Amino acid sequence: KAGVTQTPRYLIKTRGQQVTLSCSPISGHRSVSWYQQTPGQGLQFLFEYFSETQRNKGNFPGRFSGRQFSNSRSEMNVSTLELGDSALYLCASSLLRMGEETQYFGPGTRLLVL
Amino acid sequence: GESVGLHLPTLSVQEGDNSIINCAYSNSASDYFIWYKQESGKGPQFIIDIRSNMDKRQGQRVTVLLNKTVKHLSLQIAATQPGDSAVYFCAENLDTGRRALTFGSGTRLQVQP
Repeated sequence: KAGVTQTPRYLIKTRGQQVTLSCSPISGHRSVSWYQQTPGQGLQFLFEYFSETQRNKGNFPGRFSGRQFSNSRSEMNVSTLELGDSALYLCASSLLRMGEETQYFGPGTRLLVL
Repeated sequence: GESVGLHLPTLSVQEGDNSIINCAYSNSASDYFIWYKQESGKGPQFIIDIRSNMDKRQGQRVTVLLNKTVKHLSLQIAATQPGDSAVYFCAENLDTGRRALTFGSGTRLQVQP
């Protein structure tokens, strides 16, 4: 079974621009979560989607948004980019099984804001 | 979880030795814990998980120990191999319905051949 895929893998943007990142979950997984990873703050939860609805949200400004499509694929958008948004953005998908739910991560999209 | 700094704690071991990586988690209400391995340029890879109603769980070459009294989690890797070199993160989840993991700061494992 193919793993979580994320596109693009690398991206360079300038301050003030906006960016859209894409995530395709493992086939059959309906929950998609997004995380931001930086050297200073580590791995931080952004939001989680299930059945096209945002169920959980981390402590990030409204510039960070996301959505999920009927096929469970998800996108996240960052508007008005700031230098501090430079990070590795990770997507994880999960499938509830036997009362436990393991999140499997994709390779990430590395975003550099200049 | 703690914020990761530029300098991760590093554990250096010889190939073939056993490794023990420790983690202090933050929330006494967390009921599900996971260990991830992250290699350079890759996303975190699931290693093993444990629920709060257990204190030990074993996988292939790995064992996770949970001490709820002191909010401590450890990952033991038996017969450490060069391919085990990576950054290891513990993560906690308040409940399975949230799916919002809180990650620890990470430990870099270096395996010397």
